[in-house]
Amino acid sequence: ETGVTQTPRHLVMGMTNKKSLKCEQHLGHNAMYWYKQSAKKPLELMFVYNFKEQTENNSVPSRFSPECPNSSHLFLHLHTLQPEDSALYLCASSQGTTRDTDTQYFGPGTRLTVL
Amino acid sequence: AQSVTQPDIHITVSEGASLELRCNYSYGATPYLFWYVQSPGQGLQLLLKYFSGDTLVQGIKGFEAEFKRSQSSFNLRKPSVHWSDAAEYFCAVVPSGGYQKVTFGTGTKLQVIP
Repeated sequence: ETGVTQTPRHLVMGMTNKKSLKCEQHLGHNAMYWYKQSAKKPLELMFVYNFKEQTENNSVPSRFSPECPNSSHLFLHLHTLQPEDSALYLCASSQGTTRDTDTQYFGPGTRLTVL
Repeated sequence: AQSVTQPDIHITVSEGASLELRCNYSYGATPYLFWYVQSPGQGLQLLLKYFSGDTLVQGIKGFEAEFKRSQSSFNLRKPSVHWSDAAEYFCAVVPSGGYQKVTFGTGTKLQVIP
């Protein structure tokens, strides 16, 4: 399998549930990202990992907890979410070259609905 | 404030017609520029990117974009649109020195009619 994959593609959860989103990249990259895409809003960067270390947390509420066990896998653990957290969550990866030209490649996203 | 603007929220074109999607940015120095496309229910696919050099950039699927420093623009074009081009298009910018800090526009939704 090539590129960036995400599972599940769709997720419906209640506000008291705990679930996890998974992202895997097959590109040999060293940087991975979580974005949130809500209707009528620009993509919002949530977290950045470089070589498994978190280097960016864009003021994301603690009910979102990322985990990056290795450079190929990235998780987003969810608990006690709110309905306004319903969105498309996109994972991306890049080489992590520490240069501005580092290009990000995206997965298909997980459509999350919080009831 | 630094920003990326896509002035057109929604555009409708006939199949076979030409297309131009607008993107303007406001940054002090020349940023690095990208166009992505998102089909319904899918993630973002990179169409093309501009870092330096020739200001006319060729991308995949027959798309091209032209960087115009004087107008702070990076418009996306295609000479003849196909029905399969119906999607949402995002302009994205990385400011010089803004490694990994990609700013996306709000997107332009393209509808193609027969």
